[in-house]
Amino acid sequence: EAQVTQNPRYLITVTGKKLTVTCSQNMNHEYMSWYRQDPGLGLRQIYYSMNVEVTDKGDVPEGYKVSRKEKRNFPLILESPSPNQTSLYFCASTGQGNTEAFFGQGTRLTVV
Amino acid sequence: KNQVEQSPQSLIILEGKNCTLQCNYTVSPFSNLRWYKQDTGRGPVSLTIMTFSENTKSNGRYTATLDADTKQSSLHITASQLSDSASYICVWNAGNNRKLIWGLGTSLAVNP
Repeated sequence: EAQVTQNPRYLITVTGKKLTVTCSQNMNHEYMSWYRQDPGLGLRQIYYSMNVEVTDKGDVPEGYKVSRKEKRNFPLILESPSPNQTSLYFCASTGQGNTEAFFGQGTRLTVV
Repeated sequence: KNQVEQSPQSLIILEGKNCTLQCNYTVSPFSNLRWYKQDTGRGPVSLTIMTFSENTKSNGRYTATLDADTKQSSLHITASQLSDSASYICVWNAGNNRKLIWGLGTSLAVNP
């Protein structure tokens, strides 16, 4: 089954404690991206990757890092989380051309 | 001002009724326009993808239309079901999956 898997689904952490949200896809897609979704603001792109070792900033990259060492994995790293990063996060992957994006189940992060 | 605007912001209809959701975009040029359905707390799921040369595309009870001249799109839902209760999001795509601009969505509630 084609899918994008994110972990964890829920996470509560304290300010400043480094964390990583994992994302893995099994569709051999080149393109992967991370979004955050906040009430009234819709989905905003954090980072995206066109292929292995190719990453670029989206609209709201501050406070986040990503890596793309393998095609299937695209982890999101928060080196020093702050309360304003409390949000619902989605990972997505897309094949080439005008194809649909597949989204993960979401990670609800709370930073206290 | 959001470059992809959706209306209405929210809508309540009775089960079995039809409804139409609107999307206006100001960005150009574009490669395709997408509609997604998002259940609360879940990742968006693709409904339709239309290129600028397509006027209409259907996916079961969902029919999307596109007028590239007026930069308007609509999503028509026929014979609504309780499971249609969700947020419907219009997304503009520059064509290389690099840049997606997401609308804020229309929240649809289908009541019995």
